[in-house]
Amino acid sequence: SQQGEEDPQALSIQEGENATMNCSYKTSINNLQWYRQNSGRGLVHLILIRSNEREKHSGRLRVTLDTSKKSSSLLITASRAADTASYFCATDAPVSGAGSYQLTFGKGTKLSVIP
Amino acid sequence: DAGVTQSPTHLIKTRGQHVTLRCSPISGHKSVSWYQQVLGQGPQFIFQYYEKEERGRGNFPDRFSARQFPNYSSELNVNALLLGDSALYLCASSSLGSGGYTFGSGTRLTVV
Repeated sequence: SQQGEEDPQALSIQEGENATMNCSYKTSINNLQWYRQNSGRGLVHLILIRSNEREKHSGRLRVTLDTSKKSSSLLITASRAADTASYFCATDAPVSGAGSYQLTFGKGTKLSVIP
Repeated sequence: DAGVTQSPTHLIKTRGQHVTLRCSPISGHKSVSWYQQVLGQGPQFIFQYYEKEERGRGNFPDRFSARQFPNYSSELNVNALLLGDSALYLCASSSLGSGGYTFGSGTRLTVV
C-alpha cells in the first residue's frame, strides 16, 4: 500500500520558476526522503530529513517536515529544464519485529520544466 | 566506485515462466532491498536483506523469493509469472538498515 501521497500529481512550470511539491503520510516515521526518477529508470536520492528536523537545505532544494500534520514539502528553486522528472517522497519506518526498515513511497509528482 | 548494478536491464518472459533478477550493491553496503514499480505508481517494497538474512517482506505472494550471498549481492526470483508482474524491479543498497538508499537503474520485466 502507498503511505505517502504527493500533491500535485503533475506540475508544469517555466524555467526559472520555483516548484513546490507536497507529501502527506499516515504513520510514524524514522525519516522522510525525497527521490527523483527520470523516464522510469532508477531512483536518485535527493535529500533525507529526520523526524526531529523541521527543515533542510541542499543546493536548490529545500525540504520541510511537519510531523504533527504528517506532511512534507519539497521546494526546487530556480528550476531548470533538466529538473524535469518524477519526484517521490518515501517514508522510512521500522518493520515491526524485524529489526529492519522499509521505504514506503507515494505515487509521485511529475514535474515538467518548460525552457 | 561502482554504483548499484542490476542485471539484466530488460527481460521479456511468458506467463508461467520463472525469472531471476540480480543485484550487486555498493561495495561495503550490507543491506539490499527490492522494490516493484508498476507503471504510473511509486515503488512497492518486496524484500529487505541485511547480513544475508531476510529482515523484511512486503505484501507479495510466495511466488516471490530472494536471497543474499556472502558477497552481499542478491537475487530476486519470481515463479509462475503473471501478466501483472510486468514492472520495473529496483534494487537498493544501504550501509545500514535505514538512512539514504542508493538505487540501481532497475530491470524492466515484461510478461506476455
